[in-house]
Amino acid sequence: GQSLEQPSEVTAVEGAIVQINCTYQTSGFYGLSWYQQHDGGAPTFLSYNALDGLEETGRFSSFLSRSDSYGYLLLQELQMKDSASYFCAVRDMGNQGGKLIFGQGTELSVKP
Amino acid sequence: DGGITQSPKYLFRKEGQNVTLSCEQNLNHDAMYWYRQDPGQGLRLIYYSQIVNDFQKGDIAEGYSVSREKKESFPLTVTSAQKNPTAFYLCASKDGTGELFFGEGSRLTVL
Repeated sequence: GQSLEQPSEVTAVEGAIVQINCTYQTSGFYGLSWYQQHDGGAPTFLSYNALDGLEETGRFSSFLSRSDSYGYLLLQELQMKDSASYFCAVRDMGNQGGKLIFGQGTELSVKP
Repeated sequence: DGGITQSPKYLFRKEGQNVTLSCEQNLNHDAMYWYRQDPGQGLRLIYYSQIVNDFQKGDIAEGYSVSREKKESFPLTVTSAQKNPTAFYLCASKDGTGELFFGEGSRLTVL
């Protein structure tokens, strides 16, 4: 089966850097994605890693190590608006990678 | 504007009733998904469809049904067989890079 593990909550202060980890277990692997969801809203796509290494998009970066079945999302220069839930997701090899499974989410609280 | 439209946004249902949640997309995406989200929880996959006239069960398909007669539409029916239907339901479509585009969700409450 598939499973993803990420911390349930993280707290940080404005301007700081925070790292949200995700470990996964799947029958196959196509890539690791990250999504942001503000309370009551729709999740929005942040990043995708298919290969090992770091992908940078502005203040957000995402890292993947396929040999360790591990990835993380790095948020820099935290702002109050970054307070949200962050989900890692994997594309499973089953059915040509069409199945996307999400972790339980990490609730990030940014304090002044 | 291109996007995913879910309706209704809020829905109340009596026990024993079936309800259908609408999901329409004009992004020309082949793949569409239905997820369920409970308070403080992640997204659990109900059904997905990679192409018209084809769909597969996700991890929690029991008590739900779907159809995919048109590329643009992927309605979800919550049947009376679903024991705990009160939840936030999210529909999404997937582009060629694998990115999911979500609708604003439908919040179902069983009275």
